[in-house]
Amino acid sequence: IAGITQAPTSQILAAGRRMTLRCTQDMRHNAMYWYRQDLGLGLRLIHYSNTAGTTGKGEVPDGYSVSRANTDDFPLTLASAVPSQTSVYFCASSDSGSGTDTQYFGPGTRLTVL
Amino acid sequence: AQRVTQPEKLLSVFKGAPVELKCNYSYSGSPELFWYVQYSRQRLQLLLRHISRESIKGFTADLNKGETSFHLKKPFAQEEDSAMYYCALRNTGFQKLVFGTGTRLLVSP
Repeated sequence: IAGITQAPTSQILAAGRRMTLRCTQDMRHNAMYWYRQDLGLGLRLIHYSNTAGTTGKGEVPDGYSVSRANTDDFPLTLASAVPSQTSVYFCASSDSGSGTDTQYFGPGTRLTVL
Repeated sequence: AQRVTQPEKLLSVFKGAPVELKCNYSYSGSPELFWYVQYSRQRLQLLLRHISRESIKGFTADLNKGETSFHLKKPFAQEEDSAMYYCALRNTGFQKLVFGTGTRLLVSP
């Protein structure tokens, strides 16, 4: 069991380019999340999905979009990357039915926008 | 609005010294509080949650509703405790977490 995986591990991207960060979990968790981690700002929620077919905006959604076509996958798309989107991106998942609501995190994607 | 404050960016102690990582929150309802930890080159993972009232790796945290705090404590720090620690808050009935800005704990020999 892999848990939660992210791809790519790192990426350097030219400003203005489109980029999709991939996230897949095999734990059948209903909820998934995307965070960005920036020095001095901690983790900030970008978008989330409580269940397949639904998504919601987090604290910093501008410039990002997500989709949740099925339980396992939750891709994050940057339509036109800007340097301020340089960050480490973490995907997470949780299962509200388990009674613990622990969020399980992926290994992260380090994105640099030049 | 929900908010989690971790006032210390960096906490540096010697091995064997007591550790207290501060966390204060603002929330009008009944929040659930968590501590997450990120060791070097590892994923962020749950350390402990206030509703469990447990001790994990020697760490404890007590929710003080009067002071709106959830400080993380350990009586004797170990070098392997060096990591980034995040305090987080969750609305009861919701799954989203609000994280603090994190405190880096550095335990020196």
